[in-house]
Amino acid sequence: DQQVKQNSPSLSVQEGRISILNCDYTNSMFDYFLWYKKYPAEGPTFLISISSIKDKNEDGRFTVFLNKSAKHLSLHIVPSQPGDSAVYFCAASAGTSGSRLTFGEGTQLTVNP
Amino acid sequence: DVKVTQSSRYLVKRTGEKVFLECVQDMDHENMFWYRQDPGLGLRLIYFSYDVKMKEKGDIPEGYSVSREKKERFSLILESASTNQTSMYLCASSELILNTEAFFGQGTRLTVV
Repeated sequence: DQQVKQNSPSLSVQEGRISILNCDYTNSMFDYFLWYKKYPAEGPTFLISISSIKDKNEDGRFTVFLNKSAKHLSLHIVPSQPGDSAVYFCAASAGTSGSRLTFGEGTQLTVNP
Repeated sequence: DVKVTQSSRYLVKRTGEKVFLECVQDMDHENMFWYRQDPGLGLRLIYFSYDVKMKEKGDIPEGYSVSREKKERFSLILESASTNQTSMYLCASSELILNTEAFFGQGTRLTVV
């Protein structure tokens, strides 16, 4: 039972354009959402997060949007850079389960120069 | 900076061997986690621990055990390695508070032959 789903295995965009990565979840107990970035042969690194009491959080070129009624979140990267090419994982946690994270399958983002 | 260190980057083991993967964190975090990453499946939680000598099963604990004798160290044990345990193993740690990110080690690529 995949509680966090990233339906796009890959995404390719041109440098300077917007990258939009999507994530859906099914567990209504999830109240905290995170995005991680992972380069090959390295561990994931935390990128940005959002609490369920908000619908938007920004950090520089990265913005996460949360639509609770649709159980959907998205990560926007503007402008995209070649160094952003990596696998992006969406993750979620529920207050009832402490800080245990449930991850999606990941989306490979390729930013072309 | 939080540092999570996994003892090996690459390991090759034979079927049936007992395998130990070691993880150490230096930020006095209460929570520690073991995940495995497989293509198309994302990160799946194997075991986690909220305190010394405490452990909880994750989503895929079969064939694995863990040990946490000291707060900073969390070991993953493959009792009898099998080829379907060939994977990238990722250790993580986090504070014992809600709505916080986990910090990951660099990963161990285990190949069972």
